[in-house]
Amino acid sequence: GAVVSQHPSRVICKSGTSVKIECRSLDFQATTMFWYRQFPKKSLMLMATSNEGSKATYEQGVEKDKFLINHASLTLSTLTVTSAHPEDSSFYICSASVGRAEAFFGQGTRLTVV
Amino acid sequence: GDSVTQMEGPVTLSEEAFLTINCTYTATGYPSLFWYVQYPGEGLQLLLKATKADDKGSNKGFEATYRKETTSFHLEKGSVQVSDSAVYFCALSDPNTGNQFYFGTGTSLTVIP
Repeated sequence: GAVVSQHPSRVICKSGTSVKIECRSLDFQATTMFWYRQFPKKSLMLMATSNEGSKATYEQGVEKDKFLINHASLTLSTLTVTSAHPEDSSFYICSASVGRAEAFFGQGTRLTVV
Repeated sequence: GDSVTQMEGPVTLSEEAFLTINCTYTATGYPSLFWYVQYPGEGLQLLLKATKADDKGSNKGFEATYRKETTSFHLEKGSVQVSDSAVYFCALSDPNTGNQFYFGTGTSLTVIP
């Protein structure tokens, strides 16, 4: 199946700094990528839908100025957590879908803000 | 709107027991249905899928049948193993909503020897 690579898998940063997470589709072109946040023992919360070459569509309650999403090419989307705070600590997962056939997920990024 | 309702866990079973995790859905169109599995500290992996009514998805001994009449996609396995311990997510993809994926809340399964 198709492969989605997410990097880094773990990151620790200080409060107030920014962190960038990359999501790459390695062997297919993804016009749409999705970013999710997963809280402990909770389901995936869709944060935003990222479309190549256009602005991301954010879900209600997600601060677009805090979670910057860029989809610069058909194989790369990035999520930048700006001015991170401890409450931003979470597991972030990206996915890319090819139509309705299937969603392919990155391995996730564990963000810890200290 | 579209949604997926999944039985709440956690579920604890003994090895070789029968597993059922219930999943029902609401969709405006004709969705594809999926089960994903998440092992500790990892992302989600596709376990099985079905794209139309009466299709049966199967993989690694797990099965689920797309039942349009009951809007269900229950996950079953006849004999679970310790290695099946994970969180299982039911999901749908609806072409009427741009193929966005909707996930259930996840069911944590622990299999004890």
